[in-house]
Amino acid sequence: DAGVIQSPRHEVTEMGQEVTLRCKPISGHDYLFWYRQTMMRGLELLIYFNNNVPIDDSGMPEDRFSAKMPNASFSTLKIQPSEPRDSAVYFCASSFHQGEAFFGQGTRLTVV
Amino acid sequence: AQSVTQLDSQVPVFEEAPVELRCNYSSSVSVYLFWYVQYPNQGLQLLLKYLSGSTLVESINGFEAEFNKSQTSFHLRKPSVHISDTAEYFCAARSGSARQLTFGSGTQLTVLP
Repeated sequence: DAGVIQSPRHEVTEMGQEVTLRCKPISGHDYLFWYRQTMMRGLELLIYFNNNVPIDDSGMPEDRFSAKMPNASFSTLKIQPSEPRDSAVYFCASSFHQGEAFFGQGTRLTVV
Repeated sequence: AQSVTQLDSQVPVFEEAPVELRCNYSSSVSVYLFWYVQYPNQGLQLLLKYLSGSTLVESINGFEAEFNKSQTSFHLRKPSVHISDTAEYFCAARSGSARQLTFGSGTQLTVLP
């Protein structure tokens, strides 16, 4: 398996634009997590899914953020409208049952 | 809720010297503990994990960590570090039936020649 695949690796956008981050989890994994990493706040869990169903979205900062998982092999994290304070590295991770989480390479988002 | 504390944000050490990166977690009835490593511009990679059984766990590249329930610690050690060990190290915990990981703030290990 190629591991967790995220796209794009880098995204630069202007304030107010919509941004969509994509993730393909490892085949067979039933949990998918979205994390955000910043210097100030470290690694924060935004939302996670189990069998494509959102379980806990309490970490989503505000209504501008939304996440979907239409099927077992694809998830998106959308920010609309984007703001400079959203600049961060966004990681997707997946796991199977109680196993460890496997992380993607991340998407570095810069909002100017 | 689970919390994880990494006491040192930066640890510089000379090559071939021993190192210990400290990690403490908040008390929990059952807890699963992990160390992840992050190289520059990369994602996090699992280094080692404690789920149950032996309290001493080892990685393939010479790191080890010991689960200490009484001190609620899971410190990471290596007897002799290499330049290639330079990276950021994250301790993480998962409690009971929870599926999400709680991460510490990370420790930047810099190995000096």
